[in-house]
Amino acid sequence: AQSVAQPEDQVNVAEGNPLTVKCTYSVSGNPYLFWYVQYPNRGLQFLLKYITGDNLVKGSYGFEAEFNKSQTSFHLKKPSALVSDSALYFCAVLLYNFNKFYFGSGTKLNVKP
Amino acid sequence: SQTIHQWPATLVQPVGSPLSLECTVEGTSNPNLYWYRQAAGRGLQLLFYSVGIGQISSEVPQNLSASRPQDRQFILSSKKLLLSDSGFYLCAWSVRRGEETQYFGPGTRLLVL
Repeated sequence: AQSVAQPEDQVNVAEGNPLTVKCTYSVSGNPYLFWYVQYPNRGLQFLLKYITGDNLVKGSYGFEAEFNKSQTSFHLKKPSALVSDSALYFCAVLLYNFNKFYFGSGTKLNVKP
Repeated sequence: SQTIHQWPATLVQPVGSPLSLECTVEGTSNPNLYWYRQAAGRGLQLLFYSVGIGQISSEVPQNLSASRPQDRQFILSSKKLLLSDSGFYLCAWSVRRGEETQYFGPGTRLLVL
């Protein structure tokens, strides 16, 4: 069965510090990996994706993510957190040609001034 | 550029009443369309997806149904709402190749009383 795990329900970071939001996956075949962000009472916004190529992917708002095939992980990172980064973050996996995403349970990021 | 609309933004309905939520996409043709439900501000549950007019796949059996009367219109319906239908409903679209990003609408907040 395909699955995506976000082991941390919540991540607390001080503004200006680096942040990491973790994601691991279990799928058969080669996955396409995504990160989305959701602000309160809003739809999900696309941040970045890994399809193939360089394991380090850069996305919107200064975020990046590193694909690690051996650890089946796709952690989201940012060198310096902003208070405005506080939101709910979702990792997702798409199996090619299956037209379906598998979403993680979400991680709430709190960035404190 | 592509835009996705959902309405209404907020809805309060009594138990047993009917439901109709609408989603439309502009700026693209032949999209894949999706309905998700998000309960308690967390995980996303895929309800329906459609790869073309009149083609609907149901992921979770329940008292909801979906229809796609036009290429860029996706409707979520119920004949009789249950308390458990309360939640945040998100529509999303993607190009039909199957490996592309899903883009989400702003969502509809449904409260069943």
